[in-house]
Amino acid sequence: EIVLTQSPDFQSVTPKEKVTITCRASQSIGNNLHWYQQKPDQSPKLLIKYASQSFSGVPSRFSGSGSGTDFTLTINSLEPEDAATYYCHQSSSLPYTFGQGTKLEI
Amino acid sequence: QVQLQESGPGLVKPSETLSLTCTVSGGSIRSYYWSWIRQPPGKGLEWIGYIHYSGSTNNNDSLQSRVTMSVDTSMNHFSLKLSSVTAADTAMYYCANSGWYDAFAIWGQGTMVTVSS
Repeated sequence: EIVLTQSPDFQSVTPKEKVTITCRASQSIGNNLHWYQQKPDQSPKLLIKYASQSFSGVPSRFSGSGSGTDFTLTINSLEPEDAATYYCHQSSSLPYTFGQGTKLEI
Repeated sequence: QVQLQESGPGLVKPSETLSLTCTVSGGSIRSYYWSWIRQPPGKGLEWIGYIHYSGSTNNNDSLQSRVTMSVDTSMNHFSLKLSSVTAADTAMYYCANSGWYDAFAIWGQGTMVTVSS
């Protein structure tokens, strides 16, 4: 099973700040890494697929990069509505796995 | 636009079987792979398994042989059964769709299942 480790677990940030969340895989997964945003009492929403492809309707301040074992989600000019928990997910091999989540407090 | 809706009992007794259904609207179940994902209160996400409309499945070994999934193309829904439940199975259960080895593009709103006597 591929283990995904996110950092940090928690971050307190201010509006307009630039935020970077990292996800490290226990083995190479190519670009089969996806990012989700989950707000309280809501289901997760896909932000970025295949490491860097923005999903339809996602604001341009969200971007992703990386390949192999190291990946990054960047939020430029943070908005108050970006307060949420962010998860990475790998679809390179079964079982699909998720990172433990990164909670952003604004 | 495809939408997913989970349904099923919110309370299950220990050792019994949890049964949930996910209804697909706005599109055909004869596309994509259909997954179940769960999230214990205050914790992260765990993929349970997927089913294809052809009936092929793949489950997370962490749940051993307790998982059974089925699909009903005439009703445009798919189902999850988890047997011999314990308190550790208390969680929000989501259904979601994806392509082959792909991201989960669409999620249901989730249904909370509590295991308690």
